[in-house]
Amino acid sequence: KAGVTQTPRYLIKTRGQQVTLSCSPISGHRSVSWYQQTPGQGLQFLFEYFSETQRNKGNFPGRFSGRQFSNSRSEMNVSTLELGDSALYLCASSSMQGASYNEQFFGPGTRLTVL
Amino acid sequence: GENVEQHPSTLSVQEGDSAVIKCTYSDSASNYFPWYKQELGKRPQLIIDIRSNVGEKKDQRIAVTLNKTAKHFSLHITETQPEDSAVYFCAASKSFNKFYFGSGTKLNVKP
Repeated sequence: KAGVTQTPRYLIKTRGQQVTLSCSPISGHRSVSWYQQTPGQGLQFLFEYFSETQRNKGNFPGRFSGRQFSNSRSEMNVSTLELGDSALYLCASSSMQGASYNEQFFGPGTRLTVL
Repeated sequence: GENVEQHPSTLSVQEGDSAVIKCTYSDSASNYFPWYKQELGKRPQLIIDIRSNVGEKKDQRIAVTLNKTAKHFSLHITETQPEDSAVYFCAASKSFNKFYFGSGTKLNVKP
């Protein structure tokens, strides 16, 4: 099975712009979660989608939003970018079936730099 | 919400020695505790996990123990090798896929 993929791998934006990141989960996985990873804050949970519905949300401002499509692919959007949004954005997928239902498999991440 | 604390932040051991990383959590309802290894520039990879109905789990040189009463769990790596050098993260989850991560431990195994 192919692993979790994320596009693009690198992005450079300027303050005030918006950005959309994409995540394709492992085939058959219906849950997609998004995380922000920074050196100072570690891995912070953004949100989780299952069957096109947001089930969980972390403590991030409304500038961070996401969605999931019927094929389980997910997008994350950040509007009005700030310098502090520079980070590695990771998505992870889970099957939500069987004994290992919530084992998460991470994608390679999108490195976002805000100038 | 849940709070996961991880110690130590850095750990240096000699090749062949054991390494232990500890995490505590605050929410007694948390029931799934995975450990991830992240090598420099790479994605986090699940190395072992434990659910709340089990006290210990072992996979070759890696083991995880869980003490639900004290709300802490630990990662044990025996006979460390240079390729074990990486950042290790613990996490806790109680509902669906909302995970709270520890701040990470940078393990350095000296040859």
